[in-house]
Amino acid sequence: AQTVTQSQPEMSVQEAETVTLSCTYDTSESDYYLFWYKQPPSRQMILVIRQEAYKQQNATENRFSVNFQKAAKSFSLKISDSQLGDAAMYFCAYRRAGGTSYGKLTFGQGTILTVHP
Amino acid sequence: DGGITQSPKYLFRKEGQNVTLSCEQNLNHDAMYWYRQDPGQGLRLIYYSQIVNDFQKGDIAEGYSVSREKKESFPLTVTSAQKNPTAFYLCASAGTAKTYGYTFGSGTRLTVV
Repeated sequence: AQTVTQSQPEMSVQEAETVTLSCTYDTSESDYYLFWYKQPPSRQMILVIRQEAYKQQNATENRFSVNFQKAAKSFSLKISDSQLGDAAMYFCAYRRAGGTSYGKLTFGQGTILTVHP
Repeated sequence: DGGITQSPKYLFRKEGQNVTLSCEQNLNHDAMYWYRQDPGQGLRLIYYSQIVNDFQKGDIAEGYSVSREKKESFPLTVTSAQKNPTAFYLCASAGTAKTYGYTFGSGTRLTVV
């Protein structure tokens, strides 16, 4: 079974600075997708960024980028120029690319990010 | 606008009572999912359905039941067999584009009183 581990229960960052959230996963699959979701205090889950395992290029979405290390099974999220609105719980998630249960997302435990003004 | 609607936002259950959480989507998505969120444990999959009239158990299905009679609807019943139902419940849906993640509802907070 696939597992996703976020080893940082809480992180903090000063406004305008950079922070990196860690995520590791365990899978025997070669084709899969990885995601970072943001859950602000409203508890609405928001997709931040996604990465396809067969693409070597790291995904980037404005101030958010990932460092995808397939061999190490590592998928970290970097937030640049942090803003107060970035404060939230962040979840790393894994999804198989095929098979009968391809749609299932497996989530990590989450990291609470605090942004200090 | 297309999206997922969960209702109610807050729900209170008495001991021994069954309650049903509603989840409706108008995104024309084939797959729908129910997750439970507890503090410090992330999201855990309860049930999922990839097609109408078919559904599968997730990792923590005991004490829950679902139905999928329509593509748009995937209600979750929390039965009296679920001994610790107090949690935040999230419904999600996904289309056939595998590169995309889910679209989530806004959640239901269930409390046992």
